[in-house]
Amino acid sequence: GDSVTQTEGLVTLTEGLPVMLNCTYQTIYSNPFLFWYVHYLNESPRLLLKSSTDNKRTEHQGFHATLHKSSSSFHLQKSSAQLSDSALYYCALRTYGGSGNKLIFGTGTLLSVKP
Amino acid sequence: GALVYQYPRRTICKSGTSMRMECQAVGFQATSVAWYRQSPQKTFELIALSTVNSAIKYEQNFTQEKFPISHPNLSFSSMTVLNAYLEDRGLYLCGARDDSQNTLYFGAGTRLSVL
Repeated sequence: GDSVTQTEGLVTLTEGLPVMLNCTYQTIYSNPFLFWYVHYLNESPRLLLKSSTDNKRTEHQGFHATLHKSSSSFHLQKSSAQLSDSALYYCALRTYGGSGNKLIFGTGTLLSVKP
Repeated sequence: GALVYQYPRRTICKSGTSMRMECQAVGFQATSVAWYRQSPQKTFELIALSTVNSAIKYEQNFTQEKFPISHPNLSFSSMTVLNAYLEDRGLYLCGARDDSQNTLYFGAGTRLSVL
């Protein structure tokens, strides 16, 4: 079935270093939609990025990701981490089926950026 | 802009009692609402997907008898946790879908504690 696998657990970075959070997926659909959500403590999970067409980069708030169907990936990147980037990041795959459109989430990656 | 209000933010209930949480979409039409639970140390699990004028679809391990949902119009949905026990603890999130933006907007969540 459809699934999402992302970098698990905690990623600790020093401010200014590049960010890369991995996300791969499995689906039978030829045109998948992938999303990155960011979840700050005591706030709503918020959409950060959504995928476009194959091999096209999408960007928002300094983060970027490119859907690569050849490798079933949608890795989240940022050139320079900021302290305010510390949060939980979830990769999600939109699936289709008898129960309608729904999102399947990865296990989440906690990004901790230190001075 | 699109917002989703979810309340209460926190609730504590005695084991065996029930609690209801509500979700209000503002600024867009929520044709479908997904209810998720994030149990301690876990990712978001989909409980059910509710689409206006359609039957509510529950995921495996979740039932209408335990988590009855109401979705009477394009801006409101509620879910009740009946006979809550320790295993029902966690953060419950409603996600309201804006079809025009291909985006799911989340509420801030209702954190349920069970004594």
